[in-house]
Amino acid sequence: EDQVTQSPEALRLQEGESSSLNCSYTVSGLRGLFWYRQDPGKGPEFLFTLYSAGEEKEKERLKATLTKKESFLHITAPKPEDSATYLCAIQGGSQGNLIFGKGTKLSVKP
Amino acid sequence: DAGVIQSPRHEVTEMGQEVTLRCKPISGHNSLFWYRQTMMRGLELLIYFNNNVPIDDSGMPEDRFSAKMPNASFSTLKIQPSEPRDSAVYFCASSSGEDGYTFGSGTRLTVV
Repeated sequence: EDQVTQSPEALRLQEGESSSLNCSYTVSGLRGLFWYRQDPGKGPEFLFTLYSAGEEKEKERLKATLTKKESFLHITAPKPEDSATYLCAIQGGSQGNLIFGKGTKLSVKP
Repeated sequence: DAGVIQSPRHEVTEMGQEVTLRCKPISGHNSLFWYRQTMMRGLELLIYFNNNVPIDDSGMPEDRFSAKMPNASFSTLKIQPSEPRDSAVYFCASSSGEDGYTFGSGTRLTVV
């Protein structure tokens, strides 16, 4: 069964304190791994798609990496506006839909 | 583009009543997805359509739930009769098959 596990569930950082969020997955034939950001009261907002092990993508203070078993979302020198829940999702070879993890709630204090 | 539009934003209803949630996908997107989000279970896929045809409805919890997509610009999710355990945020998302899905702002459903 395709599955996504995110850790930690919650993460508190001081402004400027870099860290990483983890997304472990099991899937039959990965078509893509997706990262989303969700703010309270809003729908998830697309950040990145990674397709193969070794691939990396960056956007401002965020960098996503992918291995055959997990993905990391690295946050460099975070700011309070980076506070949100970050969701990881996979798309398997036989499916058109995304399977989501439960997310990591990130809080960045000034 | 106005993005994926969902209505209503909030719905409070009594147990046993019928509830209809609405979604307008992004023009040109050929796939539409209905998800439900709760604290306990996170985001769960209920059903998805490709070119207006239901492809996978295995996530629809019970016969009380039904979804339709009569044309490329409109979809509904209906719950009849509603129960308190149906309380959740329901999201609609659409995709063109390229990177990612675009989600709507969701409908927060409360069944009392």
